[in-house]
Amino acid sequence: DAGVTQSPTHLIKTRGQQVTLRCSPKSGHDTVSWYQQALGQGPQFIFQYYEEEERQRGNFPDRFSGHQFPNYSSELNVNALLLGDSALYLCASRRGSANYGYTFGSGTRLTVV
Amino acid sequence: QKEVEQNSGPLSVPEGAIASLNCTYSDRGSQSFFWYRQYSGKSPELIMFIYSNGDKEDGRFTAQLNKASQYVSLLIRDSQPSDSATYLCAVKEGGSQGNLIFGKGTKLSVKP
Repeated sequence: DAGVTQSPTHLIKTRGQQVTLRCSPKSGHDTVSWYQQALGQGPQFIFQYYEEEERQRGNFPDRFSGHQFPNYSSELNVNALLLGDSALYLCASRRGSANYGYTFGSGTRLTVV
Repeated sequence: QKEVEQNSGPLSVPEGAIASLNCTYSDRGSQSFFWYRQYSGKSPELIMFIYSNGDKEDGRFTAQLNKASQYVSLLIRDSQPSDSATYLCAVKEGGSQGNLIFGKGTKLSVKP
């Protein structure tokens, strides 16, 4: 049973560029959240998708946007990249409002130069 | 602003000792609490969750919750060098779509 899969694993981009990160949730999961984890920090919530709609959003600018597809997979898009966007981006999935927490993917390491 | 606070450490314990990790949270509406382990360069891995006041044991791990004090802890008995990692406390926001709010994590080092 595949867990949460993310691609790519690593990415290097230049300031001002745009990036798209992808996530396939664990089988049976329909809710996807994205987190940003800077070095030495805990994961920070970006947004959550359920039924192809953004349901909640953390304190991130509009440069961060996302999408969820009918098969529950999701994309995170970041426009006009800044050096401060360099971080580990984590996708996490769960089934509905289940209280047993999220399953995380292995993450995408984004470096902005 | 909902917050989860953890001592960043590092916490160093000898092999075989008990490691005690602590966490406080601000949202009184929170009902679910989680401990994730994160090895360097890896993604968080769920090791324990707790909903009710009191203790919950799973092998060498014991989670403790005190909602009145807004406090949750993790005890690791018979600590092993392989337990060396950062431990993240996470609190699920109230509401059916509540998301996880994470602390900054406590780095644990178990010395052989």
